[in-house]
Amino acid sequence: SQQGEEDPQALSIQEGENATMNCSYKTSINNLQWYRQNSGRGLVHLILIRSNEREKHSGRLRVTLDTSKKSSSLLITASRAADTASYFCATAETGANSKLTFGKGITLSVRP
Amino acid sequence: DAGVTQSPTHLIKTRGQQVTLRCSPKSGHDTVSWYQQALGQGPQFIFQYYEEEERQRGNFPDRFSGHQFPNYSSELNVNALLLGDSALYLCASSLGLGREKLFFGSGTQLSVL
Repeated sequence: SQQGEEDPQALSIQEGENATMNCSYKTSINNLQWYRQNSGRGLVHLILIRSNEREKHSGRLRVTLDTSKKSSSLLITASRAADTASYFCATAETGANSKLTFGKGITLSVRP
Repeated sequence: DAGVTQSPTHLIKTRGQQVTLRCSPKSGHDTVSWYQQALGQGPQFIFQYYEEEERQRGNFPDRFSGHQFPNYSSELNVNALLLGDSALYLCASSLGLGREKLFFGSGTQLSVL
């Protein structure tokens, strides 16, 4: 079963614009992570935010977490054609459960 | 520093056959997790191996089994293949059952005909 639900399912923007992707989840979490996947191959870890954090930055990435609404958003600023990929949120639930649960993903297309 | 390596990259099997996929974790990692990703979907957790034992399992039938070797590498075995087993199989490694950052291999694309 999938914990996270990303929104929108697909996003198309012009190079230089900002891209905002949202993720909602259902259970209490220890942390939430965002991954990128190019052309259906391996996933690459982008950024992690812990349940006691509200916002984190890494380069052109900004992630927020609202545990009261069980939601997160990923902002990519000044997008580039190379940012074209699928983006997934993944949650690590609280407790001894050590697996990550992924959402269905968002397809981002950045037009040159 | 070698990342996570998976073999083979592509595989074609017929229904009822058995398949073995292999994974070598990133240098220094001791935990391997396997995920199945159907087309257009997110990765689904199959199971996780640490210290040569299956530590956690997702909602997959017993046809899916695995193994971890003393050098931390791992195998995923699927018996009695079904058409619905066609998917990208991803291996991810981490350190000590950690769930803070997974390193993924490029996956094995399995097609069942």
